[in-house]
Amino acid sequence: GENVEQHPSTLSVQEGDSAVIKCTYSDSASNYFPWYKQELGKRPQLIIDIRSNVGEKKDQRIAVTLNKTAKHFSLHITETQPEDSAVYFCAAEDGATNKLIFGTGTLLAVQP
Amino acid sequence: ETGVTQTPRHLVMGMTNKKSLKCEQHLGHNAMYWYKQSAKKPLELMFVYSLEERVENNSVPSRFSPECPNSSHLFLHLHTLQPEDSALYLCASSQDTVSGSLGEQFFGPGTRLTVL
Repeated sequence: GENVEQHPSTLSVQEGDSAVIKCTYSDSASNYFPWYKQELGKRPQLIIDIRSNVGEKKDQRIAVTLNKTAKHFSLHITETQPEDSAVYFCAAEDGATNKLIFGTGTLLAVQP
Repeated sequence: ETGVTQTPRHLVMGMTNKKSLKCEQHLGHNAMYWYKQSAKKPLELMFVYSLEERVENNSVPSRFSPECPNSSHLFLHLHTLQPEDSALYLCASSQDTVSGSLGEQFFGPGTRLTVL
């Protein structure tokens, strides 16, 4: 089955800097890789996703890159703002069950 | 109500109690999920009902029992839980295709469960 590893577990950046969170996965049949943001006390919400037919996807200050050969994908946040502070989860679709397997999360703190 | 709702938001129960968590989705989705979220652990998929098929995670103890009477409602029945079952239980829904392609999962606010 799918195994997802996420790094780092915590990340602190200054406002305006960029933040990068990386995930690796094990199942070469995985084709769907979403990223969720969970603010303190709130529900996880999808912020961006990528499917294996593309290598990069961008939405304003957020971008995701996918390297299928190396089996890793990354979240990039540019010009970080205090409201970007949250826990970010990556996930990968298990190719056998078509269900999402989540990473352990990254606590991002943006210092004003 | 819009999106995915869950009740109750907080629940404290003893180990001998029986309680149920309720989830309702107002999005017309065809798949619903129960996840367990514990501190410093990844979101753990517990159960899924997709296209009217129940998929069960074999590692879930039998003291957790799901029920999905229709595509909009999902329950998690709890019986003789242990203190280590204390966690945030999140419900989610998605619109998946017949071929199994995943759609975006929309999460409910969760039920914070404490087992004494």
